[in-house]
Amino acid sequence: DTAVSQTPKYLVTQMGNDKSIKCEQNLGHDTMYWYKQDSKKFLKIMFSYNNKELIINETVPNRFSPKSPDKAHLNLHINSLELGDSAVYFCASSPRDRDYGYTFGSGTRLTVV
Amino acid sequence: KQEVTQIPAALSVPEGENLVLNCSFTDSAIYNLQWFRQDPGKGLTSLLLIQSSQREQTSGRLNASLDKSSGRSTLYIAASQPGDSATYLCAVQSSGDKLTFGTGTRLAVRP
Repeated sequence: DTAVSQTPKYLVTQMGNDKSIKCEQNLGHDTMYWYKQDSKKFLKIMFSYNNKELIINETVPNRFSPKSPDKAHLNLHINSLELGDSAVYFCASSPRDRDYGYTFGSGTRLTVV
Repeated sequence: KQEVTQIPAALSVPEGENLVLNCSFTDSAIYNLQWFRQDPGKGLTSLLLIQSSQREQTSGRLNASLDKSSGRSTLYIAASQPGDSATYLCAVQSSGDKLTFGTGTRLAVRP
């Protein structure tokens, strides 16, 4: 199936731990993104990578570090997790041609306890 | 800075009604506008994309319009069904290829 796939779907962890979320797209898109959806369901961009190069880096704590080993993968590593990091994290991708839109993954629900 | 607003925040209608969801954005310099649907606890499903040069797009019972100069878009849902119940999100792609989302409209269609 052509898609944006992210793992894991659910992640429950204790404060202070380090965790990673993985994302892969097989759509041949050039740009990949991480979005955070908070408790009020508002979606906000965190990072974007174009062909392994960081393009957008919004005001995000430096405990969050994206890694793009190749154009098809964008992983998100979070150090020293805090309660406020609990949210749903969505990976997305988009092609170079702006006449086509974004495709989103199914999300990773992170709960920090 | 692009800001996207959606009205109403929530809507409850009886089955069969036609309805309109509204989206407005502050910076008209957009590449495209995309409407998504999100079911509770699920991901985002793309419904319609309107390129900046287009005025509207249609898919089945859905019709989305775009007035770029006034910074507005509407999503029209004809003959609503209970299965249409979800949150509808409007998002615009603008400079830096950033997709900025609205706050969403939570739709409930009563049988």
